[in-house]
Amino acid sequence: DAGVIQSPRHEVTEMGQEVTLRCKPISGHDYLFWYRQTMMRGLELLIYFNNNVPIDDSGMPEDRFSAKMPNASFSTLKIQPSEPRDSAVYFCASRPTGVNTGELFFGEGSRLTVL
Amino acid sequence: AQSVSQHNHHVILSEAASLELGCNYSYGGTVNLFWYVQYPGQHLQLLLKYFSGDPLVKGIKGFEAEFIKSKFSFNLRKPSVQWSDTAEYFCAVNGEGRRALTFGSGTRLQVQP
Repeated sequence: DAGVIQSPRHEVTEMGQEVTLRCKPISGHDYLFWYRQTMMRGLELLIYFNNNVPIDDSGMPEDRFSAKMPNASFSTLKIQPSEPRDSAVYFCASRPTGVNTGELFFGEGSRLTVL
Repeated sequence: AQSVSQHNHHVILSEAASLELGCNYSYGGTVNLFWYVQYPGQHLQLLLKYFSGDPLVKGIKGFEAEFIKSKFSFNLRKPSVQWSDTAEYFCAVNGEGRRALTFGSGTRLQVQP
């Protein structure tokens, strides 16, 4: 299996621009998670989906952030407009249902820098 | 709510030294517990996990962790570290019925040759 695939790996943008991060979960995994990692706050859960439906978005910082999962093999995290404080590494992770050990499988992350 | 506390933020050891990283969690019910490792520039990888049975769990690369329910702890240990263990280590908890992991703030381990 190819694992969780994220793109882009690195993005540098200017304040005010729209940023779209993409994730392809492992085939057959029906849970998908978006985490954000910063030095100050560590790893924070932003949102997670089950069978393409958002279950918990309480970690989404504000209305500038939105996430979608139009099908089982693709999700996006969008920031509009972006701000310098959004600079972080954004990780996508997936897991299957039915084997309730909770282990998450992470992608390699998207490092976002907002100037 | 579930939370995780890692006491050591930055640990520096010499090769062959023993390692113990502290992790305490807060959750009132049954939990699954994890340690993840993040090597420089890489994604998080599972080191070991506990969900039931023997509270002493062995993972990859010689790591082990012990679940002490009375102390709400899940400390990570390795008897002899190597330079290649230099990485950031995250403890995580997943309470019964919950689907998302809550991570601790991480411990950066630096092993000097």
